[in-house]
Amino acid sequence: QVQLVQSGPEVKKPGASVKVSCKASGYTITGYGFSWVRQAPGQGLEWLGWISAYTGDTSYAQKFQGRVTMTTDKSTNTAYMELRSLRSDDTAVYYCARMVIQDYMDVWGKGTTVIVSS
Amino acid sequence: DIQMTQSPSSLSASVGDRVTITCRASQSVGTYLNWYMQKPGTAPKLLIYGVSSLQSGVPSRFSGSRSGTDFTLTITSLQPEDFATYYCQQSYGSPWTFGQGTKVDIK
Repeated sequence: QVQLVQSGPEVKKPGASVKVSCKASGYTITGYGFSWVRQAPGQGLEWLGWISAYTGDTSYAQKFQGRVTMTTDKSTNTAYMELRSLRSDDTAVYYCARMVIQDYMDVWGKGTTVIVSS
Repeated sequence: DIQMTQSPSSLSASVGDRVTITCRASQSVGTYLNWYMQKPGTAPKLLIYGVSSLQSGVPSRFSGSRSGTDFTLTITSLQPEDFATYYCQQSYGSPWTFGQGTKVDIK
């Protein structure tokens, strides 16, 4: 079945970087893209950006431009999201999701908790 | 950025009730409007895409509609498993944006 398995929880110090992985199975990733969404504790959903698994094209929310990089590895069917210069307000659950035609997100990973604390 | 405003922010309902949640976009988003359901501690789940297309496996009691920049999610007969938070989301313009969520709990 189609699923996305994300890497485990992370604890980082302010100023550090985090790289979250998202391994896809059950489908051919080049037919889709990946989108990344985060949710701070008790808050709503916030979109970080997307990457086409076929072309490698990316679209990042301006808020994260310069701090985020999304990549894919077709050989391992894995997507990655790196966020740099972490701050305490980056503490959140980070979700990857399968993106369909740059329109919607139909399959989601279970989320990766990232805690930024000194 | 396109602002998505949901109403109400929360509601209490009983099993069997008809529930309507509204999402208003600050500008046109065409048909690029999706609805998700999220239960505590779990990932969001896609319910409706493209305003009114039902995602595979989602019960037919869920439906979506549009009037201009106003979008509606309707649950015709609320079931116990439907108590959750619902989010609308637009993919018309970057950044994609979500509504603030509507929490549906048990009356």
